[in-house]
Amino acid sequence: EPEVTQTPSHQVTQMGQEVILRCVPISNHLYFYWYRQILGQKVEFLVSFYNNEISEKSEIFDDQFSVERPDGSNFTLKIRSTKLEDSAMYFCASTPTGGTKNIQYFGAGTRLSVL
Amino acid sequence: SQQGEEDPQALSIQEGENATMNCSYKTSINNLQWYRQNSGRGLVHLILIRSNEREKHSGRLRVTLDTSKKSSSLLITASRAADTASYFCATDASGNFGNEKLTFGTGTRLTIIP
Repeated sequence: EPEVTQTPSHQVTQMGQEVILRCVPISNHLYFYWYRQILGQKVEFLVSFYNNEISEKSEIFDDQFSVERPDGSNFTLKIRSTKLEDSAMYFCASTPTGGTKNIQYFGAGTRLSVL
Repeated sequence: SQQGEEDPQALSIQEGENATMNCSYKTSINNLQWYRQNSGRGLVHLILIRSNEREKHSGRLRVTLDTSKKSSSLLITASRAADTASYFCATDASGNFGNEKLTFGTGTRLTIIP
């Protein structure tokens, strides 16, 4: 069964460093999302992406964050200068076309630890 | 309460019993979905119910939706140890076409005791 894959599964970085989290959405999906979940808290929406541009972003998604679809398969989230409070699980999701587009399929997540 | 609040926050039951989790939300929605998250893992989609539906079944899952009360319930019948996980409701208040961001609730941590 097709699935969303995320790499790495765990990323440890020093405060102030740049990190890139990678996602391979399910092929033929057109809508892509990043969410994050701080330990013990809700899953929070960060950004949605369609047709090579950001469709919507939350207040969390400030200038330190950017997303890119550099080729036909990868979807990346970059955090330019990490802060301690960026430590969280980051989930990528994608949505199929057609009538079931509302179901978002999630990857297993990348645990980001900022030291 | 915030959009998507589940109760109870934690639930422990014996294997074989039924588990019921509730979710309340505040804004109008197009769809409500339930997801499961095993510890430290990703979110697995369980079931989606549209705003014009009142009840939906999928295997051992039964979801109800009451838009007048802005609430939903998830019933898992004949629970199994493998059902141990956190369960989240997520609402979809669509704005732009195809860009329905999900707003998640706080989750119910379900523990099935063998």
